[in-house]
Amino acid sequence: DQQVKQNSPSLSVQEGRISILNCDYTNSMFDYFLWYKKYPAEGPTFLISISSIKDKNEDGRFTVFLNKSAKHLSLHIVPSQPGDSAVYFCAAIGLAGGTSYGKLTFGQGTILTVHP
Amino acid sequence: NAGVTQTPKFQVLKTGQSMTLQCAQDMNHEYMSWYRQDPGMGLRLIHYSVGAGITDQGEVPNGYNVSRSTTEDFPLRLLSAAPSQTSVYFCASRRGLEQYFGPGTRLTVT
Repeated sequence: DQQVKQNSPSLSVQEGRISILNCDYTNSMFDYFLWYKKYPAEGPTFLISISSIKDKNEDGRFTVFLNKSAKHLSLHIVPSQPGDSAVYFCAAIGLAGGTSYGKLTFGQGTILTVHP
Repeated sequence: NAGVTQTPKFQVLKTGQSMTLQCAQDMNHEYMSWYRQDPGMGLRLIHYSVGAGITDQGEVPNGYNVSRSTTEDFPLRLLSAAPSQTSVYFCASRRGLEQYFGPGTRLTVT
């Protein structure tokens, strides 16, 4: 039972345009969501997060949007750069109890390729 | 500050062999975990620990053992390797919500 899903295995974008990566979740006990970025032969690194009490969080070129009613979040990268080419993982965690408490649950990942 | 370190980087095992993947962190984080990454499956939690002496199972624990005798170290043991354990393994440590990952160990079981 995949509680966090990234339904697009890959995304290809032109440099300078917007990249939108999507993530859906099923567990309503999740109350914090994170995005990680992973380059080949390296471990994932933290990118940006959002609490379930917010609907938007921005950090430079990266913005995460959360739609709790749809159990959907998205990561926007504007403008996209070739160095953004990586695998992006969505993750969720519950902080208030339940089976998701304290454990980060990851999606399958989306491979982003930004073409010059 | 080395962060999270993992050894070895690469390993090839024959079916039935045993081995230990090493993980250490120097950030004094209480929470440590092991994940495996497989194509199309994302990062799946194998085992985790909330502090020295305390471990628990994650999503895919079968075939793996862990122990946590110190805050710094969290080794992952494969008792009898199987081809289904061919994967990339990541160790991570965390304080609060931000999780730091090691560089990974690529394991092939033939």
